[in-house]
Amino acid sequence: GAGVSQSPRYKVAKRGQDVALRCDPISGHVSLFWYQQALGQGPEFLTYFQNEAQLDKSGLPSDRFFAERPEGSVSTLKIQRTQKEDSAVYLCASSLALSAGVAFFGPGTRLTVL
Amino acid sequence: GQQLNQSPQSMFIQEGEDVSMNCTSSSIFNTWLWYKQDPGEGPVLLIALYKAGELTSNGRLTAQFGITRKDSFLNISASIPSDVGIYFCAGLDSGGSNYKLTFGKGTLLTVNP
Repeated sequence: GAGVSQSPRYKVAKRGQDVALRCDPISGHVSLFWYQQALGQGPEFLTYFQNEAQLDKSGLPSDRFFAERPEGSVSTLKIQRTQKEDSAVYLCASSLALSAGVAFFGPGTRLTVL
Repeated sequence: GQQLNQSPQSMFIQEGEDVSMNCTSSSIFNTWLWYKQDPGEGPVLLIALYKAGELTSNGRLTAQFGITRKDSFLNISASIPSDVGIYFCAGLDSGGSNYKLTFGKGTLLTVNP
C-alpha cells in the first residue's frame, strides 16, 4: 500500500498478557517512530529507529516495552505483562528523511487491557 | 516531559466562521507543526513552520511561527463540515533532536452545518 499500515487495528488483552503490535512503514523510509496516545491526549514519543538501529528509546515507559526493527523495514512493538495503564493507541510513523517533521503516521493500534 | 499548552480545548462553530487556535511552550522549538486527526486515524500534517516569524498558508489554513519560537497559531477561514476533527500542534528540534515530536493536547473542532 501507499501509506503506513499497522496491525492489528484493535487489540484487547487481559492484564498480564504479552502483546505484539506491527508496523509496516512506507517502502524505503529510513526513519521509523513509535508514539503512544492516551485517550484525550496528544501522542507521546516512545522510540526511534534509523534503519535497523534503535537510536533513542528514552520514551518507553518501562522495561516491559520493547521495540525492534531487525531488517530496517517492518517494526514490532512488544509489551510484556500488560497493565491497564498500557491501554492507549499506539501510532507508528515513518519518514524518508531523518526528521520526524516530514513523517507519515499510520492509523494506529488501539490496545485495551482489561 | 515537555508540555505544549494548546488552546482552546474545544470549539463549536457554525459553518462559514473563521477559527483560531494557538499553542505555547516554555521551551524553544526550531520547527512548529500543525496536524489534524480524524477518529480512528493517525495525525495528518497540515502545515510546517521552520523559521521564527514565518507565516504560511495552505488553502484556507494559515499558521504562524512566533518570534520567540515558543508559540504558534493556526487559523482556519470559512470553515466547512469536513474541518471537524482534532487539531494538534507539535514542536520539533528542541535540544537538537529532530526526531522527537512534542505534541499539545489538541483542540477538538466541531462545525455545525
